[in-house]
This record gives sequence, structure tokens and C-alpha cells, in this order.
Amino acid sequence: NAGVTQTPKFQVLKTGQSMTLQCAQDMNHEYMSWYRQDPGMGLRLIHYSVGAGITDQGEVPNGYNVSRSTTEDFPLRLLSAAPSQTSVYFCASSRGGLAGLTDTQYFGPGTRLTVL
Amino acid sequence: SQQGEEDPQALSIQEGENATMNCSYKTSINNLQWYRQNSGRGLVHLILIRSNEREKHSGRLRVTLDTSKKSSSLLITASRAADTASYFCATALNDYKLSFGAGTTVTVRA
Repeated sequence: NAGVTQTPKFQVLKTGQSMTLQCAQDMNHEYMSWYRQDPGMGLRLIHYSVGAGITDQGEVPNGYNVSRSTTEDFPLRLLSAAPSQTSVYFCASSRGGLAGLTDTQYFGPGTRLTVL
Repeated sequence: SQQGEEDPQALSIQEGENATMNCSYKTSINNLQWYRQNSGRGLVHLILIRSNEREKHSGRLRVTLDTSKKSSSLLITASRAADTASYFCATALNDYKLSFGAGTTVTVRA
């Protein structure tokens, strides 16, 4: 199993540009989530999904969109990039889905995004 | 705002010594999880402890949970250079949201 994969690993954007961070998992996990990690801080939840077609907001959703058309993929879209979105983004997946976070989360390697 | 807070923020120990870090949280939880992050890498799950459990072990790791004090501790015994990393506690506030603390940075000196 590849686990959780994320692309790209690094990205530089200009203010106002849009882009999509890709996340895929091959463990048939129902629950998937996106976090951002800023220096000196823990991870903050952006959006999560408990199954295909079901998404919801986390702690810091503004400026980001998600969709979940398949169990495997959970892309994160930046609508109009701002310097405040410079961060490291992690995708994670877990069993549970509608049953909730009853199990551990598996994390991808992260995407380092810089917005100029 | 972050639910959990780790203490201390940083810890430096000699190889072979034990390392203890604590996590305090504010509201009731379903479970509490500990993760490790090596520099520049993703997070790796260490232990999940449920709200009705008091202690769990995994290899050289021991986690305790005191729901009355809203706190947890992670003990790493006989530390190795490879244990150098940041350690995060994460609390499941409800069924679908996990809240992370800012982490404890552990340095193990040879």
C-alpha cells in the first residue's frame, strides 16, 4: 500500500492565483481531512470528509474548498491564494467515517506552499 | 483555538534517559492520541488512548490519561537518538474533529 500520497511536495504561488492540492489514499478509509501547520503551532483542521459526497468545515476553512467524489481522493482547492496561506499542508485518512474518529489517522508527507 | 497544550515546549536529554511530556486539554474528549513528527516529515501515530482507559503501553512508550484533571502524559523510556522529534497530543473533541497542541520538541544527545 502507498498509504496517503500528496502532490505536489512544494509549490510557490503568486497572490491571487488558484491551485489544487491533491491527496489520495489506498486504504479504503472513509474519513479524510486536511490540516495546515504553521511554525511553532500544531496542526489546524481545515476541512474533513466522512465519506464520498460528504464534507464539512474544520477550524480554519476560509479561503479553501474541498470535494469528495470518490473514497480515494480528497483535493483541497485554494480559491485566491494569499500570503497568509503560506504553510505546510497535510492530508490524513482514517477508518470510521460516519462512526467517527475511533481510530488513528495516517498522514501524508505534506505540501509546502509559499504564497508571494 | 487549540484544545491541547503540551508541556514542556522543548526537552533535551542524554541518550538512555527517560523523557516525559504532558498534555493538558480543556473540554471532555472521546479519545486522545499522540503523534511524532520528525523534522520536515509528516506525522506518525504513536498511541491512541480512549476516555475510559487510564494507561497504555507500546514498546518503550507509556501513555497515561487522567480525565478528572484533563491531562495526559507520554513517557519514552531509554531514549535513543532516533527519538529526536516533535511530539504532539491530539484530542478528539467530537466524532469528527481532532485538535492538536503546539507540540514538545525532544532532542536526544549522544
